[in-house]
Amino acid sequence: DGGITQSPKYLFRKEGQNVTLSCEQNLNHDAMYWYRQDPGQGLRLIYYSQIVNDFQKGDIAEGYSVSREKKESFPLTVTSAQKNPTAFYLCASSPSAGTQNEQYFGPGTRLTVT
Amino acid sequence: GESVGLHLPTLSVQEGDNSIINCAYSNSASDYFIWYKQESGKGPQFIIDIRSNMDKRQGQRVTVLLNKTVKHLSLQIAATQPGDSAVYFCAVGGIDPGTYKYIFGTGTRLKVLA
Repeated sequence: DGGITQSPKYLFRKEGQNVTLSCEQNLNHDAMYWYRQDPGQGLRLIYYSQIVNDFQKGDIAEGYSVSREKKESFPLTVTSAQKNPTAFYLCASSPSAGTQNEQYFGPGTRLTVT
Repeated sequence: GESVGLHLPTLSVQEGDNSIINCAYSNSASDYFIWYKQESGKGPQFIIDIRSNMDKRQGQRVTVLLNKTVKHLSLQIAATQPGDSAVYFCAVGGIDPGTYKYIFGTGTRLKVLA
């Protein structure tokens, strides 16, 4: 069963704590992405990775960190430096190619920080 | 900066009627466009895509039209069904050649009336 998995579906944390969101894909895609979704806004790119051991900041990277040690995995850490961490987080992947390709999304993780 | 917008935040249609959802983009260099469907609490689901060398593409009950002159694309859903109720948004690629970065619209909520 191919696809992207994110865990957990719901996550609750106290302010000041770091939290790591999991994203795994078995589609053999080179590129992976993390987005944040807030009500009334389009998806905003946090980080993306086009290849293992390489990643770039997106538009709202402050307060977040990522790693890409394996092709299948792209975990996102929400640090205590992120001012408004409560949001719906989406992971996506796309095949490596010379032109644009469809992004496949995971089911998302809803993070609530109180 | 780059922007992608939809014309209506909410669209209500009668079951069986056709639905048209619109999206406008700002960057004339954009060369790849995707429509996604997102149900509440879930990740976005690919519907249909189109590249800039085409102006129309059809899928099962869906048609995407691209007008590069006015930088506008639309998603048409034929014979709308209750299961079509969701948020629909467009994604625009080609903004940053050599990467897979997209700009996402805010979404139109489609409500299907029985």
